[in-house]
Amino acid sequence: QVQLVQSGAEVKKPGASVKVSCTASGYIFSNYGISWVRQAPGQGLEWMGWISVYNGNTLHAQKFQGRVTMTTDTSTSTAYMELRSLRSDDTAVYYCARVWFGEIYDYWGQGTLVTVSS
Amino acid sequence: EIVLTQSPGTLSLSPGERATLSCRASQSVGANYLAWYQQKPGQAPRLLIYNASSRATGIPDRFSGSGSGTDFTLTISRLEPEDFAVYYCQQYGSSPRTFGQGTQVEIK
Repeated sequence: QVQLVQSGAEVKKPGASVKVSCTASGYIFSNYGISWVRQAPGQGLEWMGWISVYNGNTLHAQKFQGRVTMTTDTSTSTAYMELRSLRSDDTAVYYCARVWFGEIYDYWGQGTLVTVSS
Repeated sequence: EIVLTQSPGTLSLSPGERATLSCRASQSVGANYLAWYQQKPGQAPRLLIYNASSRATGIPDRFSGSGSGTDFTLTISRLEPEDFAVYYCQQYGSSPRTFGQGTQVEIK
């Protein structure tokens, strides 16, 4: 069965960087893209961006331009999302999701809580 | 950027009742590329509906989606206890992809 397993919770200081991983299983990794979505405490869902596992092309939300890097490692079926220059309002649960047919998220990781606090 | 506005913010209903959730877009959603997701506390979202009206695999037929252009609706024909959750619409017809702010369906 399809599974996306994310790395564990992180606590970071303002200005630091965080790198979240998302390891896929149960399907051919390169046949689907991966998107990243975050959710601040008690808030709604926010799309961060998308990466094509096939060719590495990326698309990011404007607000994260210059601060986010999305990559994949096909040898381990793992996607990564690095967010730099962290601020307190980056505190959120970060989700990866498999992208199907355009940008439909049919499977999701369990989420990774990133807490930014001094 | 397409802004999605969901209404109502909270829907208080009893099991067995019908739920009607609205999602209105600030501009037309290309190709009706609109999805609905369900999220329960402490869980990741789950895909319910894509392309405005197609049910995802394994989703019960009490869930249905309709609409086009700027106005979309998610209907739950008869609420089951497990349906009480937050529901989000999302458009993927243009970039950036955007989500609505969510509708909470709570037990009355």
